[in-house]
Amino acid sequence: EAGVTQFPSHSVIEKGQTVTLRCDPISGHDNLYWYRRVMGKEIKFLLHFVKESKQDESGMPNNRFLAERTGGTYSTLKVQPAELEDSGVYFCASSHLDRANTEAFFGQGTRLTVV
Amino acid sequence: GNSVTQMEGPVTLSEEAFLTINCTYTATGYPSLFWYVQYPGEGLQLLLKATKADDKGSNKGFEATYRKETTSFHLEKGSVQVSDSAVYFCALRRGANSKLTFGKGITLSVRP
Repeated sequence: EAGVTQFPSHSVIEKGQTVTLRCDPISGHDNLYWYRRVMGKEIKFLLHFVKESKQDESGMPNNRFLAERTGGTYSTLKVQPAELEDSGVYFCASSHLDRANTEAFFGQGTRLTVV
Repeated sequence: GNSVTQMEGPVTLSEEAFLTINCTYTATGYPSLFWYVQYPGEGLQLLLKATKADDKGSNKGFEATYRKETTSFHLEKGSVQVSDSAVYFCALRRGANSKLTFGKGITLSVRP
């Protein structure tokens, strides 16, 4: 079974440009989460999809970030326009819905550097 | 709100040394507690978990006990190996579908 896949693994963009990150969850996982780790700090929650619906987007930092999950499969996270403080590692995770003690599986992350 | 506090790092140990990484939490109710590990070049992996007070999670020689009275979930290993070099994150979750709340992570380096 394939794990959670994120693309690209690295991205270097200039301030003001747009970047789109992609996450392919494990097949059959209705829960999909985005997290971000800024250098040396804690991993912070960004948002949570259940299938194609946004269940919780309380962690999205501002309206420059747009997440979608059309069809309830893969998800994209777009940053437009990117700012220096957006640099960090963006993680995606997926899990089964409504299973007690379910485990969240993480992707390898996308390292975003805004210069 | 919920929060997780980990001891400051990095930590450097010699092979076969004893490891303790402290983790305390603040949360209402009864969260589930986790330790995740990120090996170099890889994604986050669940190392162990505990879902209720006094539960002990264990995996790969690592152990952590859910202590409600001290709101702690310290990670221990009796004899570390070079292959244990990684970043370790303590986390909590309230509810099966809820988000994880992480600590800052700590980098462990084990030298031969």
